[in-house]
Amino acid sequence: DAGVIQSPRHEVTEMGQEVTLRCKPISGHDYLFWYRQTMMRGLELLIYFNNNVPIDDSGMPEDRFSAKMPNASFSTLKIQPSEPRDSAVYFCASRGFIGLNYGYTFGSGTRLTVV
Amino acid sequence: AQSVSQHNHHVILSEAASLELGCNYSYGGTVNLFWYVQYPGQHLQLLLKYFSGDPLVKGIKGFEAEFIKSKFSFNLRKPSVQWSDTAEYFCAVLDTGRRALTFGSGTRLQVQP
Repeated sequence: DAGVIQSPRHEVTEMGQEVTLRCKPISGHDYLFWYRQTMMRGLELLIYFNNNVPIDDSGMPEDRFSAKMPNASFSTLKIQPSEPRDSAVYFCASRGFIGLNYGYTFGSGTRLTVV
Repeated sequence: AQSVSQHNHHVILSEAASLELGCNYSYGGTVNLFWYVQYPGQHLQLLLKYFSGDPLVKGIKGFEAEFIKSKFSFNLRKPSVQWSDTAEYFCAVLDTGRRALTFGSGTRLQVQP
């Protein structure tokens, strides 16, 4: 299995532009999570999905952020318009059973820089 | 709401020294506990996890952690660190009512050769 795949790895954009981050979870995993990592706030949960349905988006900072999961193998996190304070590493993770228990697997992240 | 505290923000050790990183959580119910490691520029990788049973959990790379319910703690230990252990370490908790991990602020470990 290729693991959780995120794209792009790095994104540099100008303030005001739309940014779309992409995630492909591990096949068969039923939960997908989006986290944001910054020096100041650490790892914050933004939103998570169960079977493609958003369950908790209370961590989404504001209306400029939106996330979708149109099918079990793809999710996007969109920021429109982007601002410098959105600069962070965005991680996607998926959850599925490993043996008798479940495990969470993280992608390599997208490093976003808004200038 | 769940919270996780990692009181050691930055730890510097020499190779072969013993390591213990503290982790305390706030939730009083049944929890599942995790330690992740993040090497510079990389994603989070699972070191070990506790679901139930033996409170002493052994993970990869010689790490272990002990769940002490009465102290709400899940400290990470390694008897002898190596330079390659230089990384950031995150404790995380999952309460049985939610499905998302709540992370501590992380501890940056620097191992000097």
